[in-house]
Amino acid sequence: EAQVTQNPRYLITVTGKKLTVTCSQNMNHEYMSWYRQDPGLGLRQIYYSMNVEVTDKGDVPEGYKVSRKEKRNFPLILESPSPNQTSLYFCASTPLQFMGYGYTFGSGTRLTVV
Amino acid sequence: ILNVEQSPQSLHVQEGDSTNFTCSFPSSNFYALHWYRWETAKSPEALFVMTLNGDEKKKGRISATLNTKEGYSYLYIKGSQPEDSATYLCALRDDKIIFGKGTRLHILP
Repeated sequence: EAQVTQNPRYLITVTGKKLTVTCSQNMNHEYMSWYRQDPGLGLRQIYYSMNVEVTDKGDVPEGYKVSRKEKRNFPLILESPSPNQTSLYFCASTPLQFMGYGYTFGSGTRLTVV
Repeated sequence: ILNVEQSPQSLHVQEGDSTNFTCSFPSSNFYALHWYRWETAKSPEALFVMTLNGDEKKKGRISATLNTKEGYSYLYIKGSQPEDSATYLCALRDDKIIFGKGTRLHILP
């Protein structure tokens, strides 16, 4: 089944403790992206990647890192999480070349930083 | 920052009625406009992707149009049903994919 797999679904952590949210897709998509969703603000792009070893900042990259060492994986790293990073996070992927395709989204990660 | 505006923010519609809502954006070059349907506690799912001015897409009772010259897209739902209750997102794609804040649709029985 074609899908984007995100883990974990729920995470509660403490301020300053490094964490990684994993994202993997099995559709050979070049374009992958991370979003956060906050009430009243909609989905905001954190980082995106157009291919292996190519990553770019979205609109809200501060406090986050990403890497794209393999085409299928695009982990989101919070080196020193803070309470303002409490949010619902989505990973998504889409083909780069075929503009007629929308995103396939992961199931989301609800992160709470205390 | 490319700005994508959706209106209205929230909408209550009687079951059986038809409705529509708007996505507005700067009328500049971009690759595609997306519409997504997002049910509570689930992930957004793609409804339509439109790339050309004048594009019209249809899936069952839901359809969408695109006007790139004037910078808007409409989503129409004909004969609303309870299962249409969801948030409808539009997104503009160039190198980034930027989302509007969505229209929250409530279907009243």
